[in-house]
Amino acid sequence: SQTIHQWPATLVQPVGSPLSLECTVEGTSNPNLYWYRQAAGRGLQLLFYSVGIGQISSEVPQNLSASRPQDRQFILSSKKLLLSDSGFYLCAWSTGLTDTQYFGPGTRLTVL
Amino acid sequence: AQKVTQAQTEISVVEKEDVTLDCVYETRDTTYYLFWYKQPPSGELVFLIRRNSFDEQNEISGRYSWNFQKSTSSFNFTITASQVVDSAVYFCALSEANFGNEKLTFGTGTRLTIIP
Repeated sequence: SQTIHQWPATLVQPVGSPLSLECTVEGTSNPNLYWYRQAAGRGLQLLFYSVGIGQISSEVPQNLSASRPQDRQFILSSKKLLLSDSGFYLCAWSTGLTDTQYFGPGTRLTVL
Repeated sequence: AQKVTQAQTEISVVEKEDVTLDCVYETRDTTYYLFWYKQPPSGELVFLIRRNSFDEQNEISGRYSWNFQKSTSSFNFTITASQVVDSAVYFCALSEANFGNEKLTFGTGTRLTIIP
């Protein structure tokens, strides 16, 4: 069966520091991968998605970036965090773009 | 552009009552997919159901049931005999089949609290 992992689970970072969140999927190959952000008490915002290694689509211009160095690995990064980057970051995978997306446990990021 | 509206921000019911969560969607596409997800306090989104636009049959899974009505662009979710474990935020979502527009659009969610 397929499983999706995210780490770290929680993170507290100062403004201006770099960020690296990792997501990995097991039990499937060539998945579509997604990064979402959920601000406190709000809905989900799609940040990036990837249909293959090195292929990244950005949905919202911001100081975040994503990379997919391996088939089942998706990384969310920032060179300098802003206060507004605080939130709950969720990674998801699917077999196709209109197929069901399955979500990881999430990373709660607090920028101080 | 696709849009999902969950007008109920918060709902509280006493345990064992039935509760219906509303979802209204907008799309120009004739082929699309509707989803419901549950987000318990732990934060992880749990998939509940996926329905395509050509299948209007209502679905029942245990205490959960879904009513899909294309005429009113609604995909409502009912929990029968609610339990405390049903307390969570529930999201309705939509994706279209048009190339380039397949991304999942979420509603803002409904926070359901079941009072023991």
